[in-house]
Amino acid sequence: AQSVSQHNHHVILSEAASLELGCNYSYGGTVNLFWYVQYPGQHLQLLLKYFSGDPLVKGIKGFEAEFIKSKFSFNLRKPSVQWSDTAEYFCAVIYNAGNMLTFGGGTRLMVKP
Amino acid sequence: KAGVTQTPRYLIKTRGQQVTLSCSPISGHRSVSWYQQTPGQGLQFLFEYFSETQRNKGNFPGRFSGRQFSNSRSEMNVSTLELGDSALYLCASSSGDRAYGYTFGSGTRLTVV
Repeated sequence: AQSVSQHNHHVILSEAASLELGCNYSYGGTVNLFWYVQYPGQHLQLLLKYFSGDPLVKGIKGFEAEFIKSKFSFNLRKPSVQWSDTAEYFCAVIYNAGNMLTFGGGTRLMVKP
Repeated sequence: KAGVTQTPRYLIKTRGQQVTLSCSPISGHRSVSWYQQTPGQGLQFLFEYFSETQRNKGNFPGRFSGRQFSNSRSEMNVSTLELGDSALYLCASSSGDRAYGYTFGSGTRLTVV
């Protein structure tokens, strides 16, 4: 079955530390890749997406992600986190040009001031 | 541009009852998807409607159903509620072209007692 894995369930960082959240997807043909963020008490917001072209994608709020096809990965990065980045982060994939998002289990990030 | 509106925000129902949730997509968007979010199972796809037609359906029992109206508003119905149906139900709006991503509403928190 097509699936998405986020291996880090909880991450705690200090402000100004660098962030990398892992996301791996199962083989399933063509993929479209997304990262969403859910701040406490708020709705899911799109951080960035990859459909084609440059595998290094830049999103909002200083986030970026790199699509590595050979590793089935789409890791999220930010060079320097802020307290306001405390949230839950979800990786999601659309397989084979469908219309359904398959989500990873999420990573809860806590940034200590 | 108004966002995705879900009503009601909170619901408490008793086992065996049925419930209807509503989602109004962003103006001009013709696709509405529904997702269930629980601590144990994460975010799971329920179904997607485009121009009043169900295009995709997730792996949920037949007690979960939906429909979309000509104005693109969508409703989701759950019959014979079970305790395990307690969850945050999220609606996502899209133009129908996945390249533009999906915009999520704030959700309806359903508690079954």
